[in-house]
Amino acid sequence: EVQLVQSGAEVKKPGESLKISCKGSGYSFTSYWIGWVRQMPGKGLEWMGIIYPGDSDTRYSPSFQGQVTISADKSISTAYLQWSSLKASDTAMYYCARQRWYPDYWGQGTLVTVSS
Amino acid sequence: QSVLTQPPSVSAAPGQKVTISCSGSSSNIGNNYVSWYQQLPGTAPKLLIYDNNKRPSGIPDRFSGSKSGTSATLGITGLQTGDEADYYCGTWDSSLSAGHVVFGGGTKLTVL
Repeated sequence: EVQLVQSGAEVKKPGESLKISCKGSGYSFTSYWIGWVRQMPGKGLEWMGIIYPGDSDTRYSPSFQGQVTISADKSISTAYLQWSSLKASDTAMYYCARQRWYPDYWGQGTLVTVSS
Repeated sequence: QSVLTQPPSVSAAPGQKVTISCSGSSSNIGNNYVSWYQQLPGTAPKLLIYDNNKRPSGIPDRFSGSKSGTSATLGITGLQTGDEADYYCGTWDSSLSAGHVVFGGGTKLTVL
């Protein structure tokens, strides 16, 4: 069974850094892209970018280029999404998803709250 | 403003049929496959339809998808109260040098 398990909810202050994770199991982690999707409170889905854990090839949506960093550690089947300096506007639910040319299996989501 | 356009809401009675539209352009829907997702309240999105009209294992045939030109449609028959959710269309967009996934703004389905 394909599973993507994300790290727990985070509460941070503006300016702090953060790295959240997504661990894949039940399939060959290095053979599929992993994507990240943002959902701000009460809003729709926004695709942020993807990484291919097999060779760490990474692509970003123009809206998120330079704002976040996507990485992966194939030795532990885990993908990451990180911020160097959080803003209040980063408050959202973040989902990872296994991706072909479309996201198919999704993680349960990680709620990130940024507040002073 | 989402790249793909969906109606904000649709509603129908239990047992009835509803359709949800998704409109795009030649850089996205017109030249790429469309997928559909169901997001029940407080949960992660779930894949309903991929490659315009294919259903993953476990998705009932009450859900169907179609595509024509730069638009796609999700159909749901035999509506149940458990179908109340937000529905999103998605596809690849190749308008920039690096392609990326785009989603519709979502449609809230109410089963009256």
